[in-house]
Amino acid sequence: AQSVTQLGSHVSVSEGALVLLRCNYSSSVPPYLFWYVQYPNQGLQLLLKYTSAATLVKGINGFEAEFKKSETSFHLTKPSAHMSDAAEYFCAANTGGFKTIFGAGTRLFVKA
Amino acid sequence: SAVISQKPSRDICQRGTSLTIQCQVDSQVTMMFWYRQQPGQSLTLIATANQGSEATYESGFVIDKFPISRPNLTFSTLTVSNMSPEDSSIYLCSVRPGQGADTQYFGPGTRLTVL
Repeated sequence: AQSVTQLGSHVSVSEGALVLLRCNYSSSVPPYLFWYVQYPNQGLQLLLKYTSAATLVKGINGFEAEFKKSETSFHLTKPSAHMSDAAEYFCAANTGGFKTIFGAGTRLFVKA
Repeated sequence: SAVISQKPSRDICQRGTSLTIQCQVDSQVTMMFWYRQQPGQSLTLIATANQGSEATYESGFVIDKFPISRPNLTFSTLTVSNMSPEDSSIYLCSVRPGQGADTQYFGPGTRLTVL
């Protein structure tokens, strides 16, 4: 069965520090992978997606993620955190069917 | 891409009543989804609503409690019936304009509080 695991329900970084949000997937076939961001009182917005092309995917707002098949991981990074990055981040996977499976989410806190 | 609006944005309701949430998309899409997001939690799929067919409900969700309409390719409604405080949640409409495992787009959500 397909599943998505996000390590750490809360991550706190200082402004200017590296952001690393972890995501591992479990799937019998290579999935399409997504990172979404949810700001307070808003819906989800796509940050980036992996669709079997380049393994390093660049998204909006300076975020990027690397697909590592050997580690079944798709971790999200940003070199320098900004206060405006504080939000909830969701990793998601789809193997081509109707359903997209979402991880539990990681709340990112950015300290001044 | 797709731009989605939802009405109402929030509501406070009494237990035992029903609320209908509207979802409007700015383009024609086949695949539409309704999710529930309880406080501090991830998204739970309620049902998939494709135009021209009956909605498909996920385990734990039934049509009597969450009836869905999908009259055309740009609009859908979700009704939360006979509400209880446990139904307090954010309800999100989502569409997938492309084929296969393409990107999903989300509405801003409806924040429901049941007293």
